[in-house]
Amino acid sequence: AQSVTQPDIHITVSEGASLELRCNYSYGATPYLFWYVQSPGQGLQLLLKYFSGDTLVQGIKGFEAEFKRSQSSFNLRKPSVHWSDAAEYFCAVGAPGGYNKLIFGAGTRLAVHP
Amino acid sequence: GAVVSQHPSWVICKSGTSVKIECRSLDFQATTMFWYRQFPKQSLMLMATSNEGSKATYEQGVEKDKFLINHASLTLSTLTVTSAHPEDSSFYICSASSTGVLTDTQYFGPGTRLTVL
Repeated sequence: AQSVTQPDIHITVSEGASLELRCNYSYGATPYLFWYVQSPGQGLQLLLKYFSGDTLVQGIKGFEAEFKRSQSSFNLRKPSVHWSDAAEYFCAVGAPGGYNKLIFGAGTRLAVHP
Repeated sequence: GAVVSQHPSWVICKSGTSVKIECRSLDFQATTMFWYRQFPKQSLMLMATSNEGSKATYEQGVEKDKFLINHASLTLSTLTVTSAHPEDSSFYICSASSTGVLTDTQYFGPGTRLTVL
């Protein structure tokens, strides 16, 4: 069965510092991979997604993620964090082939210090 | 990007009553809508998938008779929590997709906070 692990429940970084949010998945083949951000009072917003091809994926708001098959990981990165990046971040996986269910990780709450 | 709205944003009801939550895609036609439940400090759990004009497909463990889902048009899906009890208190989130396949983006609503007294 598919599963997603986000090992870090809460992360605090200083504004301007780099960021890496970890995501590990369990799936028998190459899954579809997603990162979403959830801000208070707003719906989840898609940051980026990976289906195939280049393993380094660029997303919105300066985020990128790298798919590493050998490590079953899809970590999210940003070189310089802004205070507005404070939010909850969810990694999700889906199974290719028509079954359209997304499995979400538990989320990582990001706090940004000025 | 596409916008999905939910109404109400929060609701408080008495135990035993029913509550209806609406999910609307405002600027696109959503063939498929998804309903999720999110407990505090936990992830989103898919409850059911609804396709316009069809019966919803419920995930294992989700009571069909308690959580009634209707997807009568390409822009509206409703979730009715029937005979609500305190354990049904949660954050309910819908998402909408043009086709429902994962290669198409799911657009999420802002969620509805349900509190059952």
